[in-house]
Amino acid sequence: GNSVTQMEGPVTLSEEAFLTINCTYTATGYPSLFWYVQYPGEGLQLLLKATKADDKGSNKGFEATYRKETTSFHLEKGSVQVSDSAVYFCALSDRDGNQFYFGTGTSLTVIP
Amino acid sequence: KAGVTQTPRYLIKTRGQQVTLSCSPISGHRSVSWYQQTPGQGLQFLFEYFSETQRNKGNFPGRFSGRQFSNSRSEMNVSTLELGDSALYLCASSLVTGITGELFFGEGSRLTVL
Repeated sequence: GNSVTQMEGPVTLSEEAFLTINCTYTATGYPSLFWYVQYPGEGLQLLLKATKADDKGSNKGFEATYRKETTSFHLEKGSVQVSDSAVYFCALSDRDGNQFYFGTGTSLTVIP
Repeated sequence: KAGVTQTPRYLIKTRGQQVTLSCSPISGHRSVSWYQQTPGQGLQFLFEYFSETQRNKGNFPGRFSGRQFSNSRSEMNVSTLELGDSALYLCASSLVTGITGELFFGEGSRLTVL
């Protein structure tokens, strides 16, 4: 079956530090991969996505590369800001795109 | 363009009661999905509707049900509420499903069961 595993939080970083949030997946076939972000009191919003192996998704300084050989989609940012404090969810959609599978979320707090 | 709207935003119920939550998708979106979000479990898929038909259902008991109307608005119902049903219920809509489909989420309905 399909599933997503992401690193446990919470993660606390100082401003301008490097961020990595690990995400690995199990899937049948060739899923699409996503990172969603949830700011306090809000719903989830798409941060970036990749639809095939070796694709790199990027947005707002965040990047993630679809690695089929390691079944991973790790999220990275070179220099985090206080405004990046949020919960980050890794997700995959099956080939039909009718169902998404989410990780448990990783809470990030960035301190000045 | 208006986003996904969920009502009510907050509600408190007691065990044994039932609750109905509403979701209005983005105009033109025909797919609506529901998720339950809890601190320990993350997002758990409840069900997905497209053109008034339930296409997928997650692993939840029959107390959880939903429907979609001809205007794509959706409702979910939970009967005989239990304490463990306390959660944030998120609705998401999608223009198209498929390998590049993106979910647009509402802010959620926070249900507390006492």
